[in-house]
Order: sequence, then C-alpha cells, then structure tokens
Amino acid sequence: DADVTQTPRNRITKTGKRIMLECSQTKGHDRMYWYRQDPGLGLRLIYYSFDVKDINKGEISDGYSVSRQAQAKFSLSLESAIPNQTALYFCATSGGTGRNYEQYFGPGTRLTVT
Amino acid sequence: GENVEQHPSTLSVQEGDSAVIKCTYSDSASNYFPWYKQELGKRPQLIIDIRSNVGEKKDQRIAVTLNKTAKHFSLHITETQPEDSAVYFCAASRGAQKLVFGQGTRLTINP
Repeated sequence: DADVTQTPRNRITKTGKRIMLECSQTKGHDRMYWYRQDPGLGLRLIYYSFDVKDINKGEISDGYSVSRQAQAKFSLSLESAIPNQTALYFCATSGGTGRNYEQYFGPGTRLTVT
Repeated sequence: GENVEQHPSTLSVQEGDSAVIKCTYSDSASNYFPWYKQELGKRPQLIIDIRSNVGEKKDQRIAVTLNKTAKHFSLHITETQPEDSAVYFCAASRGAQKLVFGQGTRLTINP
C-alpha cells in the first residue's frame, strides 16, 4: 500500500547514536501510530497521535520520542540507540471516524543497533 | 488497561483442513475486534473485524466469532490453502481508540 511510506527501510546504527525514522501518508488520515515488532511479542504501541497537536505515549515509549510535523508526517526518534531497540518498526494510520477504524500499515523499517 | 492474549503461538494444519485461533481480552468496554494477517516480509493487513453488537461475521472462507460474556473471540479459516500461511494477529479497542494486539499466531499450511 504505497499510501503509507517509511524511510529508511533498513538501517544499521551504533549504540549511542541518535536516529530518526520517518513516516508519510497520503490517505488524509488524522491518526498515526508507531509500533515495534519483536518475534513472539506481536505489535507493541510506542506512540500515537490523533491529530497534529495531539501526542500520546503507548505501552513502550521509554527511549523514544516523536514529532508530528504535519497531518501527513509522523517521525520516531531514538535519542541514544541501544541494542535492545533492534526490531522491526511499523508506522500506521487510520481515519478513526465514521466507524472506519482500520489501520493501514507502512512497509516497515528494520533497525539494527550494534 | 487492555490486555489481549492469543493462542496458539504456532499452528500447523493440512491443506483443506480448518484452522482456529483464539484470543481473550480483559477490558469489558472494548467493542472493536480486528484480525490482521502478515505474510512473510510484508506489512500487517486487515482481513476481518467484528464489533460487539454482533456475535459472528463471515467473509468467504474466514469467520470471526465473539463471546462478550466470556471476553473471547476467535478466527476460523476453512478449507485452508497454502496462501493462508502467515502470522495472524488479533486486537481489541474501545471504538476508534488505540488497538492492543495479541502476540500473534504463526499458521503453516502443509500440502
């Protein structure tokens, strides 16, 4: 689904480095989310935003920060990367209105911290 | 907050047989229950969802059932095919609020 894009798709970084993952969407959705996927742990919510002025912590926000630059853009930052942040990261969007709750996921960013 | 448990973590069935994946949730106010399918190397995609005002929903070979009293819901796939092999996630939410996902089930269809 090219409507939700993520950059970069793969990234290898060193412990202690700051890194930003970016998400853009052309679906016109107000709601955007960042998830982390680890084997056997499913999709865990890091941060979410229901509009440009709204930012909320998810279940695993420690070590992460976000910025909602515009309706279409939502960035995730790791201020000082550590090896246990190695994971697959997904951005998602949803309309959230008119009973349309479906979340549309981006292609994912595979992050490795060495 | 909401907690969603999903079982089994892995499931292997013969092609043509049925597969059932079960989830339980803790928040009695949750009223939206989607199922996502994630093929290898791909993004999760919604395959079916159910709201708390119905007990069952079908879409061709897949169906979802909901028991609000017991706080559990299940995904049923009939006449399984090789392309059904994937990881399946259940989730729960209060309407349009944030989703809480289960841990996932890796389904393998054996030819």
